[in-house]
Amino acid sequence: QVQLVESGGGVVQPGGSLRLSCAASGFTFTNFGMNWVRQAPGKGLEWVAFVRYDGSNEKYADSVKGRFTISRDNSKNTLSLQMNSLRVEDTAVYYCAKDSKGSSWPYYMDVWGKGTTVTVSS
Amino acid sequence: EIVLTQSPGTLSLSPGERATLSCRAGQSVTNDYLAWYQQKPGQAPRLLIYGASSRATGIPDRFSGSGSRTDFTLTISRLEPEDFALYYCQQYGISPLTFGGGTKVEIK
Repeated sequence: QVQLVESGGGVVQPGGSLRLSCAASGFTFTNFGMNWVRQAPGKGLEWVAFVRYDGSNEKYADSVKGRFTISRDNSKNTLSLQMNSLRVEDTAVYYCAKDSKGSSWPYYMDVWGKGTTVTVSS
Repeated sequence: EIVLTQSPGTLSLSPGERATLSCRAGQSVTNDYLAWYQQKPGQAPRLLIYGASSRATGIPDRFSGSGSRTDFTLTISRLEPEDFALYYCQQYGISPLTFGGGTKVEIK
C-alpha cells in the first residue's frame, strides 16, 4: 500500500543542524511532487517546503527560506529535508506528504507519513 | 499570503447531529483550490475534500464540501463517533500554501 515513513528527528541545540528523511513506497515516486509540513506542539499545520517530481524546482515558506533545503533521490524513492541554523521555534512534528500532482506547484496532499519529532532546545 | 480563518474554534455536538464548519479566506482562492483535512490525536492529517467539493478516495458521503471564492464550508451530515476530531482547511491557489487554524469537533 501507499506509505511514507519519516526518520531523522531528534533533539538539537539552537543553531544546530538536522537532516530528515522520508522513504516512499506503493506509488510511482517519480510522478509526484513532495512536501514537508510541520506542526508545533499544540498548534496547527504549517507548510514548509515542496519539491517538483524531478527535483528541478523547490519552494519554501518564508520562515525557513535560506535555512532549510528540500531534495529528493528518485533512484531510492526518498525525500530529504536538510535543516540548518535551527531555532527554538522550529520545534515541531515534521510530516512528509505526497502532493496530488506532478506539477511545478504544490497542490493538496493526499498521503501523509506519521511524522518525526524535532526538538530544538538548549 | 492568504489567511484562512476557521470558525467556530470548537463545535460541541452529539453523535447523529449535523456539523457545519466554516473556512473564510482573506482574499479570493484561485480556482476554488481549497482542501479539508481531518486529524485525530497523535495521527497525521487525512485528506477529506479537494477542489472545495470533491471527496477524496474512500471518504464517506456524509462528508461534503461547498463554497467558492472566500467562503467555504465542510458539512458532516450525521456525526459518527469516529468523526470527533480536528479539521483544517488549506488553500493551494496562491503561494504560499496556507492552512486555517482548525476547528475541533468534540462530543457534547
